[in-house]
Amino acid sequence: DAGVIQSPRHEVTEMGQEVTLRCKPISGHDYLFWYRQTMMRGLELLIYFNNNVPIDDSGMPEDRFSAKMPNASFSTLKIQPSEPRDSAVYFCASTYTGWGKLFFGSGTQLSVL
Amino acid sequence: DQQVKQNSPSLSVQEGRISILNCDYTNSMFDYFLWYKKYPAEGPTFLISISSIKDKNEDGRFTVFLNKSAKHLSLHIVPSQPGDSAVYFCAARPDNDMRFGAGTRLTVKP
Repeated sequence: DAGVIQSPRHEVTEMGQEVTLRCKPISGHDYLFWYRQTMMRGLELLIYFNNNVPIDDSGMPEDRFSAKMPNASFSTLKIQPSEPRDSAVYFCASTYTGWGKLFFGSGTQLSVL
Repeated sequence: DQQVKQNSPSLSVQEGRISILNCDYTNSMFDYFLWYKKYPAEGPTFLISISSIKDKNEDGRFTVFLNKSAKHLSLHIVPSQPGDSAVYFCAARPDNDMRFGAGTRLTVKP
């Protein structure tokens, strides 16, 4: 099992540009989560999906952030336009037990200059 | 609002000694608690968990204690090893959410 796969590992972009982060959950998992890690706030839940349907997006900071899950094996998190304060590590996680143990990807280090 | 708090950003211990990482929470509806370990450039990995109906759970060198009246849990690592050096996240689950603390960086010195 390859685990949760995220791409890219690193993304450097300029303010105002569109950024798309990608995630492939573990096969068979029916929950997918997007988290953001910052020094001040630790791991913040942005949004989560169940069976490809967004359940709670109250953690999405602004309308500049959007997430989709077109099928069970792929999800994207998009930031448009990006700002320097969006710089953080973004993690995707999946699970099959609802809110039990989460399996995390390696994260995407985003730097917005 | 930070419902799960890890007030110590860092902890340094000597190899062989006990490491104690602490976590406080504010929501009495939390019913399941987890600890995750994170190495640099990797995602967090699950370490140990405890249900609110228990006050202790042990797995090898790792033990988690839960004090519901104080809304406090702790992770004990005995004996600590250099390979335990990582960031440790406490997480808590109410009905439909999982909240993480800010993390504690543990350094185990040889």
